[in-house]
Amino acid sequence: ETGVTQSPTHLIKTRGQQVTLRCSSQSGHNTVSWYQQALGQGPQFIFQYYREEENGRGNFPPRFSGLQFPNYSSELNVNALELDDSALYLCASSGGGVSSYEQYFGPGTRLTVT
Amino acid sequence: DQQVKQNSPSLSVQEGRISILNCDYTNSMFDYFLWYKKYPAEGPTFLISISSIKDKNEDGRFTVFLNKSAKHLSLHIVPSQPGDSAVYFCAASESGRGSTLGRLYFGRGTQLTVWP
Repeated sequence: ETGVTQSPTHLIKTRGQQVTLRCSSQSGHNTVSWYQQALGQGPQFIFQYYREEENGRGNFPPRFSGLQFPNYSSELNVNALELDDSALYLCASSGGGVSSYEQYFGPGTRLTVT
Repeated sequence: DQQVKQNSPSLSVQEGRISILNCDYTNSMFDYFLWYKKYPAEGPTFLISISSIKDKNEDGRFTVFLNKSAKHLSLHIVPSQPGDSAVYFCAASESGRGSTLGRLYFGRGTQLTVWP
């Protein structure tokens, strides 16, 4: 069984640029959630995708957007990057239904905005 | 507003002893609780969970206790091992109408250090 993978591992961008982060969900999972973890904080929910539709969103501005593809992989796009966007971005997959409570995380993408 | 709180940023325990990590929550709609372990440069790893219909769940050396009236849960690790040294996150979720099923609310984490 393949776990959750994310790419790239690290990324450095300049303020105002745009970035795309990618996630491949665990085999058999149809739900993907994205979280932002700032230094010294717990992960904060950005949004969730279920069967290619956004299924809930946290307190993040519209410049954070996402996609889920038919194979359940997902992208997180951030436009007009700000310094405060520097964080670890985590993708988590789950099986949908009751089992979606147990989410399985990828290793994360470390984004640095300068 | 932090709905899940871990008030101890760090805990140091000798190998073989019990580690107790605590977590409090404010949202009475939370009905599922999880603990994750995180090593540096890795994503959080699911450890153990508990539904609000239970007050205890065990899995090997790990036991989670839930006190709904106090809105408090704890993770017990017995016996503690050096390999348990990591950051432990408490997380909670709600299943009610209007909620995003599976959306997790995390605490800030507790750094556990187990020394020989």
